[in-house]
Amino acid sequence: GEKVEQHESTLSVREGDSAVINCTYTDTASSYFPWYKQEAGKSLHFVIDIRSNVDRKQSQRLIVLLDKKAKRFSLHITATQPEDSAIYFCAAKNYNQGKLIFGQGTKLSIKP
Amino acid sequence: EAAVTQSPRNKVTVTGGNVTLSCRQTNSHNYMYWYRQDTGHGLRLIHYSYGAGNLQIGDVPDGYKATRTTQEDFFLLLELASPSQTSLYFCASSEGQGRANTEVFFGKGTRLTVV
Repeated sequence: GEKVEQHESTLSVREGDSAVINCTYTDTASSYFPWYKQEAGKSLHFVIDIRSNVDRKQSQRLIVLLDKKAKRFSLHITATQPEDSAIYFCAAKNYNQGKLIFGQGTKLSIKP
Repeated sequence: EAAVTQSPRNKVTVTGGNVTLSCRQTNSHNYMYWYRQDTGHGLRLIHYSYGAGNLQIGDVPDGYKATRTTQEDFFLLLELASPSQTSLYFCASSEGQGRANTEVFFGKGTRLTVV
């Protein structure tokens, strides 16, 4: 079946540095790629997404890149802050089926 | 902000027991999803639905049934609960497919323990 692989299970960066989380997907019909953040003990909330008609999207300190040829997408968090510490999930959604598949999650720690 | 409400928030049951997890969304979203979250596996899709009376099989459906009774309500049923089903369960909803607003909104989760 379709899979989304999230390459980093944990990531630790110094406050102020950039963090990069990488994902790959298998379903060539995937057209929507959201990212979610889960703080300790809480539910998931949406942070940013990208659709397959663009290859880059930025929202403040968050940048998402999409390489459709390689079936790869990534989340870049610039100028990291302590409140960025959380688990981040990537996901991919099939245009026609509406099925949303998640990666395994990356635990991001921001060190002072 | 879309609202997805799960109940109960915590549940303990015995092996072989019967459990129903409930989810209600009040945004007239077409799609509803049930996921389980386990360390090392991320979120895995159990079942999903694109409307009342519809059910689609997810990636880890064994041991689970689901039913979408109305546009708002989606239930997950464990008829013979096993310890391997101890997990954190999330319900989610979204507008639909294609280029519509496809942001997915999550409930707060139900922690299920099977002893």
